[in-house]
Amino acid sequence: ILNVEQSPQSLHVQEGDSTNFTCSFPSSNFYALHWYRWETAKSPEALFVMTLNGDEKKKGRISATLNTKEGYSYLYIKGSQPEDSATYLCAFNPYSGAGSYQLTFGKGTKLSVIP
Amino acid sequence: EPEVTQTPSHQVTQMGQEVILRCVPISNHLYFYWYRQILGQKVEFLVSFYNNEISEKSEIFDDQFSVERPDGSNFTLKIRSTKLEDSAMYFCASQGSEAFFGQGTRLTVV
Repeated sequence: ILNVEQSPQSLHVQEGDSTNFTCSFPSSNFYALHWYRWETAKSPEALFVMTLNGDEKKKGRISATLNTKEGYSYLYIKGSQPEDSATYLCAFNPYSGAGSYQLTFGKGTKLSVIP
Repeated sequence: EPEVTQTPSHQVTQMGQEVILRCVPISNHLYFYWYRQILGQKVEFLVSFYNNEISEKSEIFDDQFSVERPDGSNFTLKIRSTKLEDSAMYFCASQGSEAFFGQGTRLTVV
């Protein structure tokens, strides 16, 4: 069973604050690490797919870094806004040969941004 | 933006009944998945499907579950004889370079 852990489980921040959370995953057999943003009553929305050690990706105020050797990724949100309130999921994608890219999800970090 | 469509959005069924959950994945994708999330728990992998056959399945995906792509577009998950513990949100995902999820089907077994 692959262990994908996210911390913290939940987070409350004031509007305008910057914040970050962590995803840890197995450091062996790495293929990719996915970040998703999941708002209540909607389907998970892909934020980033990260494949290379040292990768840094950015989408507006949200960015993510990747360390495959030690098995962690950070997601950063700069200047949080109420619309950033959601659960942020990471998913580990091991390499398992041709034909399948099974994702193992963490439990998510639930972010609430207080206006 | 590409979209994965799932139907129905909510299904209530009696224990022991068969249910079929439907998904229309993104047309040029080759990999398809079913995941589920029991309330308050992690999203769990059920099965992956590639080249018209199951490529991987989890321990959850026992003989009561089956998947097929009957017409080259729809991708279905069938639960033959539902149990109370099958109540969950079921998500279909379609993957090219990244995975896109459908809105989910909330299955309630009573």
